[in-house]
Amino acid sequence: DAKTTQPTSMDCAEGRAANLPCNHSTISGNEYVYWYRQIHSQGPQYIIHGLKNNETNEMASLIITEDRKSSTLILPHATLRDTAVYYCIVRVPNYGQNFVFGPGTRLSVLP
Amino acid sequence: IAGITQAPTSQILAAGRRMTLRCTQDMRHNAMYWYRQDLGLGLRLIHYSNTAGTTGKGEVPDGYSVSRANTDDFPLTLASAVPSQTSVYFCASSQIGGRRGEQFFGPGTRLTVL
Repeated sequence: DAKTTQPTSMDCAEGRAANLPCNHSTISGNEYVYWYRQIHSQGPQYIIHGLKNNETNEMASLIITEDRKSSTLILPHATLRDTAVYYCIVRVPNYGQNFVFGPGTRLSVLP
Repeated sequence: IAGITQAPTSQILAAGRRMTLRCTQDMRHNAMYWYRQDLGLGLRLIHYSNTAGTTGKGEVPDGYSVSRANTDDFPLTLASAVPSQTSVYFCASSQIGGRRGEQFFGPGTRLTVL
């Protein structure tokens, strides 16, 4: 079973920030939060991950609450090419098999 | 660098036929995985291999088998295909013990069983 809950879908205007929430209230101390996205039937693509500190890379920012029970993926200036399904996953990094993909959030970036 | 390649890209298969989906990675990752994705749903893990010579069952292993004779290749075999195995199949790899622990995915194989 997926350990996360996400909204089924969201819309965002092009050029605006897209904020995608994820609840993971049962996360354990050694589990990281990972975000992937899947663009139109392609293979999922890694975006970012974090343990407890906020993280930023060239694609996105990840904000994790202090109690680690929820997080938000931020795409600062969404483009039409960011339209995709976004998956939030919690897992321990050094074990191979425990990627559990839930249904994710379908983000539609609108012109 | 190709990353992960999968073959075939798509296939239509008669029920009862045997089929092997191929997956090759050139990143020397120790772990490899097979997922299926049914229309409108998330990915479900079929089988995985944490290192060459070992395999394990995922969430939905029935009807599928895998082998891992070397680091680079991880074929998935459907011994006798059934229509419920119609799906998109994704192969992935990762480096267990690597800094990021991310998975890299192939482009997928679209399989239709009639």
